[in-house]
Amino acid sequence: DAGVTQSPTHLIKTRGQHVTLRCSPISGHKSVSWYQQVLGQGPQFIFQYYEKEERGRGNFPDRFSARQFPNYSSELNVNALLLGDSALYLCASSPSRDTNQPQHFGDGTRLSIL
Amino acid sequence: DQQVKQNSPSLSVQEGRISILNCDYTNSMFDYFLWYKKYPAEGPTFLISISSIKDKNEDGRFTVFLNKSAKHLSLHIVPSQPGDSAVYFCAASAYDYKLSFGAGTTVTVRA
Repeated sequence: DAGVTQSPTHLIKTRGQHVTLRCSPISGHKSVSWYQQVLGQGPQFIFQYYEKEERGRGNFPDRFSARQFPNYSSELNVNALLLGDSALYLCASSPSRDTNQPQHFGDGTRLSIL
Repeated sequence: DQQVKQNSPSLSVQEGRISILNCDYTNSMFDYFLWYKKYPAEGPTFLISISSIKDKNEDGRFTVFLNKSAKHLSLHIVPSQPGDSAVYFCAASAYDYKLSFGAGTTVTVRA
């Protein structure tokens, strides 16, 4: 079975642009979460979506937004890109709302801002 | 505010010996704890987890211990193998989906 898939794998943007990152969860998984990982740190929670509704939001500015589609795939959008947005963006999925289940991660999108 | 801390950035261990990775947390509401392994250019891979109602969980070579009074958990890998060389992240959640991660410990297994 395919794991969590993310696209694109790498992306280069300039300051002020916007970007859309995509994620397909493991088949049957209804929950999708997004994380940002900067070099030397652990992943930081951005959003969690379940059944197409936002269920949680981390401490990120309104430039960050996301949505989940009827097939449970998800997009993360970032507007007005800043140099500090350069990071690895990770998507994770889990089967349900049961919080005592591990989240499974994709390989991420490496975003570089010039 | 870093609620999950891994104070050892790196660990070097001889092949066949035990690797012990440590993690401390500050949020007493955390009820679920996980360890992930990450290779370069890959996403984190789930290793093992433990609920706050337990103090030990074992899966093959991996054992996680939880000491709630000390707000401390550890991961034991026995025996260590060259393929275990990776970055290990400790993570925790408090009755929701938000995972709080430590900064990671880089493990190097020497032949």
